[in-house]
Amino acid sequence: EPEVTQTPSHQVTQMGQEVILRCVPISNHLYFYWYRQILGQKVEFLVSFYNNEISEKSEIFDDQFSVERPDGSNFTLKIRSTKLEDSAMYFCASRPSYFSPLHFGNGTRLTVT
Amino acid sequence: ELKVEQNPLFLSMQEGKNYTIYCNYSTTSDRLYWYRQDPGKSLESLFVLLSNGAVKQEGRLMASLDTKARLSTLHITAAVHDLSATYFCAVVVGSNTGKLIFGQGTTLQVKP
Repeated sequence: EPEVTQTPSHQVTQMGQEVILRCVPISNHLYFYWYRQILGQKVEFLVSFYNNEISEKSEIFDDQFSVERPDGSNFTLKIRSTKLEDSAMYFCASRPSYFSPLHFGNGTRLTVT
Repeated sequence: ELKVEQNPLFLSMQEGKNYTIYCNYSTTSDRLYWYRQDPGKSLESLFVLLSNGAVKQEGRLMASLDTKARLSTLHITAAVHDLSATYFCAVVVGSNTGKLIFGQGTTLQVKP
């Protein structure tokens, strides 16, 4: 069964550094999302992406965050200058149609020191 | 702002017992999803509930949706240890992007 693939599985970075989290969604999916989950807490929406542009973003998704789909397959989340509070598990998700469930990747655990 | 609230947040139960997890949401929605998450793992889709009165069952889990009451339930029948996990409900509302807003999650611990 096709899967959403995320790399790396774990990223450790120093405060103020830039990180890029990568995702390969399932190939025929049209809607793409990033979510984050701070340890032991709820899953929070960050941004949705459709038709090669951001369709919605949350209050969390400030100017330090950006998303791209550079080559039609990969889907990236960039954090320009990481803060301690960015430490979380970041999940990429995709779906083939509006009513389908989201398919989540295995996540990237980001640790900011 | 949409709020999605689950209760209980933690549930410890004996194998063989029945229990229900509740998911309330604050504004109108026509879709609700249930997900399972094992510790340190991804979220696995369990059920998609698309209309009022929808009921879905898979094994020992049964989910239902009452859109008028803005309530979904996840019923566990004769729990087994393998069902130990965190269960999330998630609601789509007021958006053409289909984003999901998640509840806080209910951590289920089934003891032998």
